[in-house]
Amino acid sequence: DGGITQSPKYLFRKEGQNVTLSCEQNLNHDAMYWYRQDPGQGLRLIYYSQIVNDFQKGDIAEGYSVSREKKESFPLTVTSAQKNPTAFYLCASSPQITGTGELFFGEGSRLTVL
Amino acid sequence: GEDVEQSLFLSVREGDSSVINCTYTDSSSTYLYWYKQEPGAGLQLLTYIFSNMDMKQDQRLTVLLNKKDKHLSLRIADTQTGDSAIYFCAEINQAGTALIFGKGTTLSVSS
Repeated sequence: DGGITQSPKYLFRKEGQNVTLSCEQNLNHDAMYWYRQDPGQGLRLIYYSQIVNDFQKGDIAEGYSVSREKKESFPLTVTSAQKNPTAFYLCASSPQITGTGELFFGEGSRLTVL
Repeated sequence: GEDVEQSLFLSVREGDSSVINCTYTDSSSTYLYWYKQEPGAGLQLLTYIFSNMDMKQDQRLTVLLNKKDKHLSLRIADTQTGDSAIYFCAEINQAGTALIFGKGTTLSVSS
């Protein structure tokens, strides 16, 4: 079945460590996104990519990095520079930027910093 | 900048109607969306409405759009316990490159 797969679902990290969250889609979508969700804060955009080898910062990009070497993959690295990394991270994809703009979401990755 | 606002909580009894409200700031938004999130999961698109429409109905869901007041609502008829979830309103940002989400309304349905 087509969809978006995020891994791992749960991740624990010590302070000062970098961690990479995986996001893979087999929907042949051009655009991919990373959002962060905190209780009572809704979803905030970290990074997005409209095409392979190109990505743009969202509203809260500081302390994060991404790459888009393949159309189906958009990994997110949470670096030690991110001051409050504990959160629920959601990856999404979209067939195109124009059109209805519908996003398809993965099941999320919950990161806890100990 | 763009902003989407929603009330945070709504509690209803099973069988009643639920109405979740949202206000947005970008009057040029082409589409407006309602997403549903169940506990520990990603978001799923419930419905969307094109900005030149006032209303859209889809089974138990009715979306009303008041462009003058920049107000969007989602009505769920005959609310069931399975409707308990967080509901997000969203609009496309001005650049047309990503969705901006509200903080989400937690709907609690009691039997």
